[in-house]
Amino acid sequence: DAKTTQPNSMESNEEEPVHLPCNHSTISGTDYIHWYRQLPSQGPEYVIHGLTSNVNNRMASLAIAEDRKSSTLILHRATLRDAAVYYCILNDYKLSFGAGTTVTVRA
Amino acid sequence: EPEVTQTPSHQVTQMGQEVILRCVPISNHLYFYWYRQILGQKVEFLVSFYNNEISEKSEIFDDQFSVERPDGSNFTLKIRSTKLEDSAMYFCASSGGTQGIYGYTFGSGTRLTVV
Repeated sequence: DAKTTQPNSMESNEEEPVHLPCNHSTISGTDYIHWYRQLPSQGPEYVIHGLTSNVNNRMASLAIAEDRKSSTLILHRATLRDAAVYYCILNDYKLSFGAGTTVTVRA
Repeated sequence: EPEVTQTPSHQVTQMGQEVILRCVPISNHLYFYWYRQILGQKVEFLVSFYNNEISEKSEIFDDQFSVERPDGSNFTLKIRSTKLEDSAMYFCASSGGTQGIYGYTFGSGTRLTVV
């Protein structure tokens, strides 16, 4: 399985942007970059995904490096409800979850 | 917004008993998955299912486990003879396509407690 590397944890203040990095230096040309989050005591929740171009949706933005070896998930204005574990995953017919980044949002 | 529905939300069973966890995937999705998460650990892939067949399974998915799509809407995970170490949250997911083209939608999970 292709692997990703994420920081263990990040802290942010409410209403400030959060930039979550992910390294995936062994990515193949057909791997989609997926982001999911898991709030406490809930199932994983889809956030965003992309292949080569930057992507935006109502939840977040995904910035993909030109060489595709890294990406950044951007939460534009963090709220307390964004406190969760965020997973960056390369999808090759299934999702393989790592430890993710635990995001803490301070009021 | 379409949801993946899982029942029951919590199941307690005695060791050695059979359990069936049920899932209703999103209606126009074609690819179905089961994952599990032992308390405090990572989410682990169990099995993927497409066109009434298992596409891929992990080492965890041994002969004790089976999956079925008995009708056009349900997707089930059966554990034949539960063990204490099967205690975990079990998540069902579905997707409209494969190879990562579409995102996955997960259910809220079934907490299985084996006593």
